[in-house]
Amino acid sequence: DAKTTQPNSMESNEEEPVHLPCNHSTISGTDYIHWYRQLPSQGPEYVIHGLTSNVNNRMASLAIAEDRKSSTLILHRATLRDAAVYYCILRDAGGSQGNLIFGKGTKLSVKP
Amino acid sequence: NAGVTQTPKFRVLKTGQSMTLLCAQDMNHEYMYWYRQDPGMGLRLIHYSVGEGTTAKGEVPDGYNVSRLKKQNFLLGLESAAPSQTSVYFCASSYSPSGSKADTQYFGPGTRLTVL
Repeated sequence: DAKTTQPNSMESNEEEPVHLPCNHSTISGTDYIHWYRQLPSQGPEYVIHGLTSNVNNRMASLAIAEDRKSSTLILHRATLRDAAVYYCILRDAGGSQGNLIFGKGTKLSVKP
Repeated sequence: NAGVTQTPKFRVLKTGQSMTLLCAQDMNHEYMYWYRQDPGMGLRLIHYSVGEGTTAKGEVPDGYNVSRLKKQNFLLGLESAAPSQTSVYFCASSYSPSGSKADTQYFGPGTRLTVL
């Protein structure tokens, strides 16, 4: 699986938008971009994923660069509950093993 | 619908003791995984299973064994615990291995294991 690069930590104020960047310059054409997050003392949970087009769901938006070498997870209005470690992970559409390869992620702190 | 559950939530072992961690899922998923997470690190794959009766090694399999006798259960065993196995263990399951939406992985709450 291709590697991703994320900042170690970011800070945000409550109710402000947050943009979490991820670089994946060696992404292949069949790699999906997945985001998971891990709240304190919990298991990771799925946030969003995409292939080429920008994606929106109830939790977040995913903006994918035209060359797909980078992406940004957007939380439109951060809440205290969004404080977590966010992982950007590449998944091969034809993968046979299926496990997620986690980096260290970005630790997001949200200030009231 | 409980999702993925793990038993126990906490455990303290002495070096050399054995134990089994149980993972159960009620989503009829084919794929199940065991990860470990050390402080400040991302999760690393220990073993995985692509279906009932099958298991395979992941990135860090040494010192662990697994079994998948029933589709809904995936057991992780430590035959002779070592302090290096002190970690938080997460189980996950998914419908398929691909990168598409159907492959979303669902994680359990974790088991915090300390080996003295």
